[in-house]
Amino acid sequence: KQEVTQIPAALSVPEGENLVLNCSFTDSAIYNLQWFRQDPGKGLTSLLLIQSSQREQTSGRLNASLDKSSGRSTLYIAASQPGDSATYLCAVPDNYGQNFVFGPGTRLSVLP
Amino acid sequence: DAGVTQSPTHLIKTRGQQVTLRCSPKSGHDTVSWYQQALGQGPQFIFQYYEEEERQRGNFPDRFSGHQFPNYSSELNVNALLLGDSALYLCASSLAWVSSSRETGELFFGEGSRLTVL
Repeated sequence: KQEVTQIPAALSVPEGENLVLNCSFTDSAIYNLQWFRQDPGKGLTSLLLIQSSQREQTSGRLNASLDKSSGRSTLYIAASQPGDSATYLCAVPDNYGQNFVFGPGTRLSVLP
Repeated sequence: DAGVTQSPTHLIKTRGQQVTLRCSPKSGHDTVSWYQQALGQGPQFIFQYYEEEERQRGNFPDRFSGHQFPNYSSELNVNALLLGDSALYLCASSLAWVSSSRETGELFFGEGSRLTVL
């Protein structure tokens, strides 16, 4: 059974810092991994999707890497801004590719 | 391009009642999945619909049921509501998973329906 963990659970940084969020999964036979952002009380916004054949994806100040063999992914946020404050979740599909298993999220606060 | 839309955004019910939540997928998507998110936790998979049939189901009781219509929109029904059913219910849409490609499509979520059971 696939399990996803994320560390740290919460993170508070001053504006302008570069930061790394970590995601680990137990079953490395994944088809892809997706990172999401969630603002309080809102739905999930897709940030990056990394297919199993890729090692990383970039979008603006965000860069996500995937290491299937070690069961890990990292989300790198460059030059953080107060608007980046949110909860960041990673998710991987199960063996059937239809059920996404989510981590508990990392709650990020970027202080002005 | 309309994204995933859900209704209602908020609702309050009492124990034992029944609720229906609705979802319209992103234009061009044919697969709808429902997730339950308790406060402070990641979303938990309820079930997925494709071609008007339930393809896979998570660890949820039969009180949770769904339907998909020919236009790909979907409903989630919960009967005999319990206090523990209070949560944010999220609908996600995607393109159908094709096993031969060994790739899955990107998931897009709606804003959710916040259900409070008193």
